[in-house]
Amino acid sequence: GNSVTQMEGPVTLSEEAFLTINCTYTATGYPSLFWYVQYPGEGLQLLLKATKADDKGSNKGFEATYRKETTSFHLEKGSVQVSDSAVYFCALTQNTGNQFYFGTGTSLTVIP
Amino acid sequence: DAEITQSPRHKITETGRQVTLACHQTWNHNNMFWYRQDLGHGLRLIHYSYGVQDTNKGEVSDGYSVSRSNTEDLPLTLESAASSQTSVYFCASSELSYEQYFGPGTRLTVT
Repeated sequence: GNSVTQMEGPVTLSEEAFLTINCTYTATGYPSLFWYVQYPGEGLQLLLKATKADDKGSNKGFEATYRKETTSFHLEKGSVQVSDSAVYFCALTQNTGNQFYFGTGTSLTVIP
Repeated sequence: DAEITQSPRHKITETGRQVTLACHQTWNHNNMFWYRQDLGHGLRLIHYSYGVQDTNKGEVSDGYSVSRSNTEDLPLTLESAASSQTSVYFCASSELSYEQYFGPGTRLTVT
């Protein structure tokens, strides 16, 4: 079956610290992988995506590389800001059916 | 600009009442989804639709129903609300295997 496992939170970092949020997946075939971000009181927004192995998705200083050999899609940012405080969700979809499978979310708080 | 809206944004209802949450998208997407978000569970899929007159059950469909009479709307009905259905509900839409676009959510409290 399809599933996503991401690291438990909450995560608290100081401003300008390095961020890694781990995400691993189980899937049949070759899924597309996504990171979504949810700011307080809002819906989810797409942060970045990768559709095939070795692709790197990037946006707003965040990066994640699709690693088929380790079935991982870890989210990284070199220097976090207070405005990055949010909940981050890793997700996958197969290229048929378009059902998404989400991880449980990781809450990030960045303190000045 | 295309968007996806949900109404109401907040709802308080009593146990046993029927409740309908609205979802409207102007992306002209064929695929629409309903999720609930609960602490410790992330997002769980309730129902989804791949087009007009098509509906499918998701992971947590018991006690919920949907109908799709046009492309733009997928209302979610709780037939007889229960306290276990207190949650935040998100609607999303997409086309083929592209990203899902999410609405702002509806916070439902069942007392």
